[in-house]
Amino acid sequence: GDSVTQMEGPVTLSEEAFLTINCTYTATGYPSLFWYVQYPGEGLQLLLKATKADDKGSNKGFEATYRKETTSFHLEKGSVQVSDSAVYFCALSHTGFQKLVFGTGTRLLVSP
Amino acid sequence: EAGVAQSPRYKIIEKRQSVAFWCNPISGHATLYWYQQILGQGPKLLIQFQNNGVVDDSQLPKDRFSAERLKGVDSTLKIQPAKLEDSAVYLCASSLRYGNEKLFFGSGTQLSVL
Repeated sequence: GDSVTQMEGPVTLSEEAFLTINCTYTATGYPSLFWYVQYPGEGLQLLLKATKADDKGSNKGFEATYRKETTSFHLEKGSVQVSDSAVYFCALSHTGFQKLVFGTGTRLLVSP
Repeated sequence: EAGVAQSPRYKIIEKRQSVAFWCNPISGHATLYWYQQILGQGPKLLIQFQNNGVVDDSQLPKDRFSAERLKGVDSTLKIQPAKLEDSAVYLCASSLRYGNEKLFFGSGTQLSVL
């Protein structure tokens, strides 16, 4: 069945450092790929998405590119802020079905 | 606009007791989801409603879990009887319509079964 694998956390960075959170997936066909973020005490929020190969999703300085050849969707940000501290979830779904399959989440801690 | 509302925020029960969670989706959202998030794992879909009909309940443990969405608006998820392994955060989400991939999540109900 479909699955998503994320790097283990926590990822600990200093403010203005470069961020990469790795995500790879296993799925039949051509799923849509997502990054969701969960800030402390809040619900999950959609951060960005990509629906086909080579698409780049971007939002709030975060980017991720749908790489079908490596089945990956790594999240990157050039300069993190303390306010980016949260748990980040990679997920996939097949168009029209909406059943999101999530990774285990990666906690990001950014210190001043 | 108001977000997805869930209650209670926390619940502690003993095994074999019953418990119910409530969710009110964003107004006008036709599709409602219940996810279970066990500590250290990603959320797992339990059940998906389109209006008041069930679209997918393939991962719902039907011997103990039940859910309903009467009138196609708010929803209740029940566990009876609870087991230790049901300790988790129960997340409710909604989306505007079936096939719309943007889900809006509530803050969740954290259940501890002792």
